[in-house]
This record gives sequence, C-alpha cells and structure tokens, in this order.
Amino acid sequence: SQQGEEDPQALSIQEGENATMNCSYKTSINNLQWYRQNSGRGLVHLILIRSNEREKHSGRLRVTLDTSKKSSSLLITASRAADTASYFCAMTTSGSARQLTFGSGTQLTVLP
Amino acid sequence: GAVVSQHPSWVICKSGTSVKIECRSLDFQATTMFWYRQFPKQSLMLMATSNEGSKATYEQGVEKDKFLINHASLTLSTLTVTSAHPEDSSFYICSARVRAQGLGANVLTFGAGSRLTVL
Repeated sequence: SQQGEEDPQALSIQEGENATMNCSYKTSINNLQWYRQNSGRGLVHLILIRSNEREKHSGRLRVTLDTSKKSSSLLITASRAADTASYFCAMTTSGSARQLTFGSGTQLTVLP
Repeated sequence: GAVVSQHPSWVICKSGTSVKIECRSLDFQATTMFWYRQFPKQSLMLMATSNEGSKATYEQGVEKDKFLINHASLTLSTLTVTSAHPEDSSFYICSARVRAQGLGANVLTFGAGSRLTVL
C-alpha cells in the first residue's frame, strides 16, 4: 500500500520559531490529514484538507496541498515546547476510501 | 468527542504465551476498527481492519492465525497475539473511524496504544 514520505525526519527548533514539515505521496488522493503523536501514545487528528482545497488553517496550524506536485506541508507557527511530538500525514486514496495510509513521520523537538 | 479506550497500555509476557489487547469505543458505535503496529521511530503499519459481526480483513503479510481479531460488538474489538515471540514486541494501536461533522471523510480516533514486550 502507498505510504507518504515526510521530510525532514527530525526537526529541532527554538520555542517561538515556526516549524514546517512536508509530505509527499505517490497516487491520487481524496483527502490528506495530519496527525500528531506524543511519545508512546496514540495519534490525535489535527486537520484534514480535501483534494480540491489548497490551504487550510486551524489555530497555529496551516496546511497546504499541491495535488500537481503530490505534496502537502504542515506549518506550526510560534511553536511551543508542548508541540514536541511526531507528526504524520495520512492519505485516503481513491481506491481505498476506507483506509488511511500514513507517512513516515517527522519528529519535532521544540526547545524551551 | 469520540474516545477510544485501549487496554492494557503495556504488557510484558513470556515467549509462547498469548496476549489480548482490547479496544473500546466509549461514546460511539464503531462498526469498523483498525489495528496498527508501530516499531520505534517508524510509521504506523496497518495490520487489519476489524468489522463488527464479520471476519477481519488482514493486510498482506500479516498472519491471521498469529494475530486474532474479534469484533463481537459495536464498541469492542480485540487483538490477540498468539504464541508471542520476541519479534512480536511492538507498539500496537487501534483506531475507529468517526464520521467527522461537515467533512464526510474518515477521520480516525486512536486508542492510546499498547506496548507489548515479549521476553
């Protein structure tokens, strides 16, 4: 099954800075989601962007989607130490609308 | 909001024993639940899709006799790792699809995960 690739694999920034994570995928998608995972815990849904949308905001989160490049980015503005976690993109593809396929993840560390 | 409870959060067992992990939807009915496996610093790999009242659908390469899934009610799915061996040590996470209001898409609510260590 398709899996998205994320970069960077790890990102370390200072509190207050912005963090940008990128996700690339291979086939057509219905929508793309971003999830967050604290160490040793389950995942929490952050935001969903549909294939016909280009940008979406939710609080300090900004997600973009470029279907021509098959890529998405997650921007966290004014980062906080509590944002330290792993972030995964997840895709619902046309052929398997009932499943989510996860990207490889970005480990974000926000230093106080 | 929708909550999925997963139990136990961690378990240590001896090689050869079987371990059962429970996944419950607390305030909603989940006709479909998903079981994932995650190795350290890696992504989630879908193991199987658990369907209430019917057999689970396993992903390629996942042994159905090794990882028994039972979804006997609309709020409970269980994963049993049979005759566990050290290579089965991993983080197992369940999730259920929640129909997101206004989105019409499958957003997943996850359990907190179960850390299995097989000695």
